[in-house]
Amino acid sequence: GESVGLHLPTLSVQEGDNSIINCAYSNSASDYFIWYKQESGKGPQFIIDIRSNMDKRQGQRVTVLLNKTVKHLSLQIAATQPGDSAVYFCADSGNTPLVFGKGTRLSVIA
Amino acid sequence: DAGVIQSPRHEVTEMGQEVTLRCKPISGHDYLFWYRQTMMRGLELLIYFNNNVPIDDSGMPEDRFSAKMPNASFSTLKIQPSEPRDSAVYFCASSPRAPNYGYTFGSGTRLTVV
Repeated sequence: GESVGLHLPTLSVQEGDNSIINCAYSNSASDYFIWYKQESGKGPQFIIDIRSNMDKRQGQRVTVLLNKTVKHLSLQIAATQPGDSAVYFCADSGNTPLVFGKGTRLSVIA
Repeated sequence: DAGVIQSPRHEVTEMGQEVTLRCKPISGHDYLFWYRQTMMRGLELLIYFNNNVPIDDSGMPEDRFSAKMPNASFSTLKIQPSEPRDSAVYFCASSPRAPNYGYTFGSGTRLTVV
C-alpha cells in the first residue's frame, strides 16, 4: 500500500521556541490526517486531526497545516516545552485503517 | 473510562515458546486493531476487527501469528512458535465507528524473544 513518510527523523528545539514537524503522504485518495504523540513507554496519543477540505486547524499550542497540492502536512508546536519531547507520527487514511510514518523524535533542550 | 488495556506489559520468552498477548478495548468501540512497532519498520498494522469479525489480516507476518476476538471486550494475539525476530512492542487500539477515526491505543506489550 501507499505510505506516509517524514522528512526528518530527529528534531532538537530550544525550550520556548516553536517546533515544526513535517510529513509527506503519497495517497491522493486520503481525506483524513492525524498527528499522534508517543512518549517513551507509552502508546501513541491523538494530538490533532484535519480533513482534506481544510488547510489549517488549530488546537491548544498546536497547529496542523495541510497542503494537498504537494501532499504535505506539518505540525507546529508553539512555545515548545520539555513535556513535548516525544516521537510524533502523522497518519493518513482514505477510510481504511491508519497508515503511520516512522515518526520524528522531538528533543527539547532546556 | 480505563482506556484500552493490554497485558502483559512486558513478556520475555524463549524461542519456540507460545506467546499470548491480550487486549480489552474501550467499551462500545466497534473496531479493534493490532499493531507492531519496531525501530526498523515503525508501526505496522497486523490485523483489525469490526464487531468481533476479522476484516483484514494481510499484515500478519506468518502463519505463526493468529488473532481472535471471541467477544466485544476481549482480543488475543498469539505467536506460536515465537522467534527472536518477533521481538517488538505490540499495540492494541480501538475505534468507535470507523476504521480510520478516533483511535485510542493501549500502552503496549514489549515482547522479547531470546
